[in-house]
Amino acid sequence: KAGVTQTPRYLIKTRGQQVTLSCSPISGHRSVSWYQQTPGQGLQFLFEYFSETQRNKGNFPGRFSGRQFSNSRSEMNVSTLELGDSALYLCASTSFAGTSYGYTFGSGTRLTVV
Amino acid sequence: GQQVMQIPQYQHVQEGEDFTTYCNSSTTLSNIQWYKQRPGGHPVFLIQLVKSGEVKKQKRLTFQFGEAKKNSSLHITATQTTDVGTYFCAGTAGGTSYGKLTFGQGTILTVHP
Repeated sequence: KAGVTQTPRYLIKTRGQQVTLSCSPISGHRSVSWYQQTPGQGLQFLFEYFSETQRNKGNFPGRFSGRQFSNSRSEMNVSTLELGDSALYLCASTSFAGTSYGYTFGSGTRLTVV
Repeated sequence: GQQVMQIPQYQHVQEGEDFTTYCNSSTTLSNIQWYKQRPGGHPVFLIQLVKSGEVKKQKRLTFQFGEAKKNSSLHITATQTTDVGTYFCAGTAGGTSYGKLTFGQGTILTVHP
C-alpha cells in the first residue's frame, strides 16, 4: 500500500511569508502527527489530529497551526515565517490497530526560510 | 515536561563489532518505540516495547525496556555497513498524550568496512 505522502518536498520562503504543507496518510490511518526536525533541537512534536480534531499540541508558538480533513489528509500552516523555522517537517500516521502503534513517517518537506 | 536522553551521541565501529545505544526518560513511559533514520531519509519504525522488562529481538537487533519503564536500550550484534544511520528512541507517556512521541536526540552510527 502507498506510504505517507508529503508535498512539496522542498520549499524556499522569505521571512514574513506564510507556508502550507500537506500530508496524505496511509489509507485507513486516522491519526496524523507532525514533527519538526532540526540539527540543534532534533525531532519535536508539533500536533496530532484524529478524526479532524486536534487532540494534542506541542510547545510551538501560535504561528504553527494545522487541520485535518474528513479523508484524514492533513495540512500544517506556518505564518509570519522566521529564519529559525527552517527545518525538515515530518508527518506521521498510525492506525492504532492491534498492539503495535508504530508510526509511518513521510519523506518530509524541507523548508528553507531566507 | 517529559525528556528523553539518549547516549552516546555518536558511535563509530568497525564492521563486525557490536553497538549499543541507551535511552533514559525523566518520567515513567507507557511504551517506547525505536526508529532508524538513514542519512537523507526519514525515521522508519523498528519496534515498540510496552511491558516492564520486555526484551524483543529482530535478527541481530535486541531491544530492552527497563523494569521501571524509564529506560531502554538497543543492541546490534556484529554490525554491517547497512546498519549505518541514526537510531532514535521515542517514548509515549500514555493517557492523553495522543500521537506525541518524545524523541531522544539519537545516536549516529557509522560503520567502517
